[in-house]
Amino acid sequence: GENVEQHPSTLSVQEGDSAVIKCTYSDSASNYFPWYKQELGKRPQLIIDIRSNVGEKKDQRIAVTLNKTAKHFSLHITETQPEDSAVYFCAAKAGGGNKLTFGTGTQLKVEL
Amino acid sequence: DAGVTQSPTHLIKTRGQQVTLRCSPISGHKSVSWYQQVLGQGPQFIFQYYEKEERGRGNFPDRFSARQFPNYSSELNVNALLLGDSALYLCASSFGTAGSPLHFGNGTRLTVT
Repeated sequence: GENVEQHPSTLSVQEGDSAVIKCTYSDSASNYFPWYKQELGKRPQLIIDIRSNVGEKKDQRIAVTLNKTAKHFSLHITETQPEDSAVYFCAAKAGGGNKLTFGTGTQLKVEL
Repeated sequence: DAGVTQSPTHLIKTRGQQVTLRCSPISGHKSVSWYQQVLGQGPQFIFQYYEKEERGRGNFPDRFSARQFPNYSSELNVNALLLGDSALYLCASSFGTAGSPLHFGNGTRLTVT
């Protein structure tokens, strides 16, 4: 089955700096890659997603890149703010259906 | 617009008991998926239902079962509870099955003592 690895497990940045979180996946049939933000005690919220026919997608301060050959994808957050502090999860989906395989999460801390 | 709603929000059960968790999807969404999130880990897929039929099952024992109703709401049942079943159970809805974004509810926090 699909396996998704996520790094780093914790990331601390200064406010205004950029943050990058990286994920690799194992199943070459994976075609959909969402990113979720989960604040403490709250539900995972979809912040951006990318499909396998696209190499990059941007939404304001957030961007995701996908390298199908290397089977890895990354989340980039620019001009970080304290409210960006949360746990971020990457996920991958192969084929039809809604089975997402999640990474282990990255605890992002944005310090003033 | 209302998001995915789950009930109850918290639940405490004893080992060996049975539990039923409920989920109402976003209006217009026909697919419901269930995930288990153990503290400190990413969510793990349990089931997907679309148009009242099971469309996918994760690596969970037969103690876990689910169903979807004509109004697209869903229930997750867990029998013979074990301590290891303590987790946050998340329901996610989507419009369809193939590549539709999943939107999660706030979850049900289950504690088994």
